[in-house]
Amino acid sequence: GQNIDQPTEMTATEGAIVQINCTYQTSGFNGLFWYQQHAGEAPTFLSYNVLDGLEEKGRFSSFLSRSKGYSYLLLKELQMKDSASYLCAVRDSNYQLIWGAGTKLIIKP
Amino acid sequence: ETGVTQTPRHLVMGMTNKKSLKCEQHLGHNAMYWYKQSAKKPLELMFVYNFKEQTENNSVPSRFSPECPNSSHLFLHLHTLQPEDSALYLCASSQDAATGANVLTFGAGSRLTVL
Repeated sequence: GQNIDQPTEMTATEGAIVQINCTYQTSGFNGLFWYQQHAGEAPTFLSYNVLDGLEEKGRFSSFLSRSKGYSYLLLKELQMKDSASYLCAVRDSNYQLIWGAGTKLIIKP
Repeated sequence: ETGVTQTPRHLVMGMTNKKSLKCEQHLGHNAMYWYKQSAKKPLELMFVYNFKEQTENNSVPSRFSPECPNSSHLFLHLHTLQPEDSALYLCASSQDAATGANVLTFGAGSRLTVL
């Protein structure tokens, strides 16, 4: 079966760096997405990786290794507003999106 | 405001009621989606419409009935639901469901409680 694994919850300190991991086993691969979802709000798009390597976008970076079935989202200079759930999703060979259950990130002062 | 608007934001209904969820997108997208989000579970795709044609029905029970009258509007008609159908229902849109770098824009969701 197809599966996306990510930690259920993580805690980090304001101003620090946190890495949220995502591992996947899917039927083929056509890209990996990260979305952010604040409580009671819409998920919003953060990043898209289709080739191996690091994509940097301001304080957020996303890394992909297709051979290892692995990605991470790196958040630097954490702010209280970064408290949210982070959803990993992979598009498989049929262009279906397979979703992880999300990682709830708690930022403490 | 993401450009995808869902109403109502909250809905409480009995098992014998009939209600509808509405979604509207102002982004000029051609694909629209219904997802079910339950606590600590992955998003579950329910239905996909691409250029107004239903392209995906992910084994959803018939008590959920989608309607897509045009590329900007999507409805989810609800009838004789079960308590386990209580969840957040998310609508999303994208440029085209059949392309790889297909970024979804989500609405804030309709929180449904079935008594």
